[in-house]
Amino acid sequence: AQKVTQAQTEISVVEKEDVTLDCVYETRDTTYYLFWYKQPPSGELVFLIRRNSFDEQNEISGRYSWNFQKSTSSFNFTITASQVVDSAVYFCALSEERSSNTGKLIFGQGTTLQVKP
Amino acid sequence: SAVISQKPSRDICQRGTSLTIQCQVDSQVTMMFWYRQQPGQSLTLIATANQGSEATYESGFVIDKFPISRPNLTFSTLTVSNMSPEDSSIYLCSAMGQGSDEQYFGPGTRLTVT
Repeated sequence: AQKVTQAQTEISVVEKEDVTLDCVYETRDTTYYLFWYKQPPSGELVFLIRRNSFDEQNEISGRYSWNFQKSTSSFNFTITASQVVDSAVYFCALSEERSSNTGKLIFGQGTTLQVKP
Repeated sequence: SAVISQKPSRDICQRGTSLTIQCQVDSQVTMMFWYRQQPGQSLTLIATANQGSEATYESGFVIDKFPISRPNLTFSTLTVSNMSPEDSSIYLCSAMGQGSDEQYFGPGTRLTVT
C-alpha cells in the first residue's frame, strides 16, 4: 500500500542553520511522483517541487535542495541558511502511476519547522 | 502555474446546516480536486471533480455528505451538508493544469461548526 512517512513532527532551528526534513515513502509502483509543499501560517499550500521516480538527480533551487534516493525510498528536503520566513509546515506527498491520471496525492503527516531569529 | 481562489475564506456555521464552497481557477484545467485538512492533521482527498459528470469519491466520503459540482473547466463547488462539529476543517481545492503534472492549491476555506 502507498504511504508517506514524515517522522519529524516538529523541528526548531536558529536562523542561518541548515535543516533537513525527512520523507520516506512506500509504493508498489515502479513509476511514481514525489512532491514537497509548504504551508505557511496563512494556510495556503505552496508547491515546491515534483520529481518522478526515474529522475534521481538531486535538485537545487536557491537555498532549497532535494535528495532523492530510491534505494532507501527517501526524498529529503534541505533548507540551507534557514530564515524566519521558512517557518511553516512542510508536506511530502506521493502520486502513483496508476493515480497519475487522477492526480491523487498521498500526503505525509507534515513537519512543522520553526526558525527562530 | 494556475491561480486558484476560494470563497468563502472562512465561516462559522451551526450544526445541521450546509455550506457551499466555491473554487475558481484562472485558466482551464484538466483536473480539479477537493481535500480536507482536519485541525493539526495532514490533507486527505475527498473527491475528484469531473467536468460534466459525477465526482469520483474516495473511500470514506459520500456524495450525500459532500456533493460536488463542476459545470466547466475553471469552476467547482463543494457542499458540506448537514454539518457537525467533526466537519470543522480546512477545505482545499486543487487543480492540475493542461499539459502539466504540477498540482496547485487554493488558499483553503476554514470551516468551524458549532
